[in-house]
Amino acid sequence: NAGVTQTPKFQVLKTGQSMTLQCAQDMNHEYMSWYRQDPGMGLRLIHYSVGAGITDQGEVPNGYNVSRSTTEDFPLRLLSAAPSQTSVYFCASSWTDRSSYEQYFGPGTRLTVT
Amino acid sequence: AQRVTQPEKLLSVFKGAPVELKCNYSYSGSPELFWYVQYSRQRLQLLLRHISRESIKGFTADLNKGETSFHLKKPFAQEEDSAMYYCALSGIGSQGNLIFGKGTKLSVKP
Repeated sequence: NAGVTQTPKFQVLKTGQSMTLQCAQDMNHEYMSWYRQDPGMGLRLIHYSVGAGITDQGEVPNGYNVSRSTTEDFPLRLLSAAPSQTSVYFCASSWTDRSSYEQYFGPGTRLTVT
Repeated sequence: AQRVTQPEKLLSVFKGAPVELKCNYSYSGSPELFWYVQYSRQRLQLLLRHISRESIKGFTADLNKGETSFHLKKPFAQEEDSAMYYCALSGIGSQGNLIFGKGTKLSVKP
């Protein structure tokens, strides 16, 4: 089991560019999510999905787009990058059964927007 | 509003000393509480959750509903405990979405 994988590990973008952060899991988890981690802010939820074809917004969704066409993949799209989106992005997955709410995190993508 | 508060950004202790990382929450109901840990250059991973009431790596955490707290404790800190610790909350009907505190960096000195 690879668990949760993310690509790329590092990325530098110019303001206005778009890109997609990839996330995949091989544990057949229904739930997948994206968080951003900023110094002094902890982790904040961007978007989440409880299954293929179902997505919803988290706490900080503006400027990001997601889709869930398969159980395994949950890409995060930056539509027009801004310096405020400089952050470390984590993808996570879990079962949706309440007694098993442990979330498994990917290694993160460090994004810098200049 | 749902909120998790970790009042200490940084906690520095000597090896062998007791450790307590504080976590308070605000939630109108019965949440599930977790402690996640991020060691240097590693991914975030679950350390404890209140529902399992277990001790992991010598750490324990008790949910105090009266004080709305879920403090993480260890009687004798080790250098390998140095890491970033996040308290997190999952509410009823949240479908697993976690609300994180801002984190506490624990530094255990030799």
